Amino acid sequence: TQLLEQSPQFLSIQEGENLTVYCNSSSVFSSLQWYRQEPGEGPVLLVTVVTGGEVKKLKRLTFQFGDARKDSSLHITAAQPGDTGLYLCAGTTSGTYKYIFGTGTRLKVLA
Amino acid sequence: EAQVTQNPRYLITVTGKKLTVTCSQNMNHEYMSWYRQDPGLGLRQIYYSMNVEVTDKGDVPEGYKVSRKEKRNFPLILESPSPNQTSLYFCASSLYSGGNQPQHFGDGTRLSIL
Repeated sequence: TQLLEQSPQFLSIQEGENLTVYCNSSSVFSSLQWYRQEPGEGPVLLVTVVTGGEVKKLKRLTFQFGDARKDSSLHITAAQPGDTGLYLCAGTTSGTYKYIFGTGTRLKVLA
Repeated sequence: EAQVTQNPRYLITVTGKKLTVTCSQNMNHEYMSWYRQDPGLGLRQIYYSMNVEVTDKGDVPEGYKVSRKEKRNFPLILESPSPNQTSLYFCASSLYSGGNQPQHFGDGTRLSIL
């Protein structure tokens, strides 16, 4: 089973700080997605990265796909309490239709 | 409103009593999937379906069955539930299979098997 390891597992920071979440694998992924999940709800898609080396920005969130398409990162600038949630990376490897999800990073931003 | 609807949202039951969790989507999506979410393990795919009458195993299919007789519905069946199937379950759909398609998730079903 391919694995997507996320780090850190938990992160508690003050409002205004910057942070980076990592998603790593030994497998090559055809694309990677990042989701955010709030308590009592299903995950909601933030972004999809497809090309190795691709960088996408969503307001204060910056997503990067590794050159070898084995890893990805999510950087949040000037975190706000509304960024609190569980962040999940997910992807499929070439030739399969299975989704693999990362282990998740639980972020808490304190006001 | 575009949505994925799961029922029930909560269920407490006993070992061995067959149960079905329903999932329905109104977006005409081809790809549907079931996941379970357990602390520290993230979401793990149980089964997926690429279209009507086409289903395949995910990473943790043991103890589960699915069917896809209509495009909109994808029920998850536990024929003989056991306590290790206590978990939070999510159904998801996307327009078609492919890692660059956004998955739309239901709000989850919390199952407790005693």
